[in-house]
Amino acid sequence: SAVISQKPSRDICQRGTSLTIQCQVDSQVTMMFWYRQQPGQSLTLIATANQGSEATYESGFVIDKFPISRPNLTFSTLTVSNMSPEDSSIYLCSDGTGVRETQYFGPGTRLLVL
Amino acid sequence: GQSLEQPSEVTAVEGAIVQINCTYQTSGFYGLSWYQQHDGGAPTFLSYNALDGLEETGRFSSFLSRSDSYGYLLLQELQMKDSASYFCAVRDGGSQGNLIFGKGTKLSVKP
Repeated sequence: SAVISQKPSRDICQRGTSLTIQCQVDSQVTMMFWYRQQPGQSLTLIATANQGSEATYESGFVIDKFPISRPNLTFSTLTVSNMSPEDSSIYLCSDGTGVRETQYFGPGTRLLVL
Repeated sequence: GQSLEQPSEVTAVEGAIVQINCTYQTSGFYGLSWYQQHDGGAPTFLSYNALDGLEETGRFSSFLSRSDSYGYLLLQELQMKDSASYFCAVRDGGSQGNLIFGKGTKLSVKP
């Protein structure tokens, strides 16, 4: 099983600023996924991060707002740019090979934007 | 596209059995998964069904009927620690293969 860590675990930010969330996996993985989960809601996929290529964004999410880096097979970052209170949420990263039945999640980053 | 339907809330007492249903619509089917998430925690994998039938893992079992696009999670001998949200999920049929989650069922176990 993969062990995934995220930093920071939580943050309180001012509107208009940006926050970069780091995700580290203890083994090499082909794909990493970034999800958003608002309180009491389900997980919504933001984007898929592949090493060596640009991230693939889901409908409603754009690169200018959520730039993603994937410098190697164990690490990725998600930046939440020009934040507003609507960005207050839990951001989770996850690993994936695309076919394996199990997907592991990081502990999440709890973001509050004032 | 994909969509999944599951009840929003279920309440049961300790020691009881509860069944959480999930119906899905997918453009391609690669199996139905179940995840548990405690408040403030990350989703954790519970079970996966690719073929019809029942999969049992301790107190938890999961069932799938591909012809009915239906599955359920069965929790037996409920314990207080089972109070959590339970999500069914299917894998995106595209090349990325990411999980698409249902809206989740919040299970409350009462003494």
